[in-house]
Amino acid sequence: GENVEQHPSTLSVQEGDSAVIKCTYSDSASNYFPWYKQELGKGPQLIIDIRSNVGEKKDQRIAVTLNKTAKHFSLHITETQPEDSAVYFCAAIEAGTALIFGKGTTLSVSS
Amino acid sequence: GAGVSQTPSNKVTEKGKYVELRCDPISGHTALYWYRQSLGQGPEFLIYFQGTGAADDSGLPNDRFFAVRPEGSVSTLKIQRTERGDSAVYLCASSLGGRAEQFFGPGTRLTVL
Repeated sequence: GENVEQHPSTLSVQEGDSAVIKCTYSDSASNYFPWYKQELGKGPQLIIDIRSNVGEKKDQRIAVTLNKTAKHFSLHITETQPEDSAVYFCAAIEAGTALIFGKGTTLSVSS
Repeated sequence: GAGVSQTPSNKVTEKGKYVELRCDPISGHTALYWYRQSLGQGPEFLIYFQGTGAADDSGLPNDRFFAVRPEGSVSTLKIQRTERGDSAVYLCASSLGGRAEQFFGPGTRLTVL
């Protein structure tokens, strides 16, 4: 089955800096890769996703890149703000089935 | 519109007791998923419904866990003879039929004493 590895486990940046979180997956059949943001005491919130027929997707300050050959994908957050502080999870899915999550990255943005 | 809702938000029970956790998906979403999240970990898949039927229950850890979705909307996750190791946040997600995007509820925090 699918296995998703996520790095780093913790990331501390200064406000205004960029943050990058990287994930690798094992199953070449996976074709959908979402990113979730989870704040304390809340459920995961879908923030951006990418499908295997696309190499990059951007939405304001966040972007995701996908390298199918190397089986890795990354989340990029530019101009970080304190409200970006949260746990971020990557996931992989063979569309229509269950999400397989990474272990999460705790992002801390200090002002 | 309303998102996924889960009740109760917190449940404390004693070892050996039976518990039911409820999930109300987004209106019109035919797919419903249950996940379990332990402290410091990512959510782990338990069971997936397409309509009323369980399409994939391979994530249920043992036969103490069971879930139903009798009318294709609300789902109930049932845990018999609870154990301390069942303590976790139980998350529910739903998606529109045929689409991959899953939207999560706030979760139910289950504590087994």
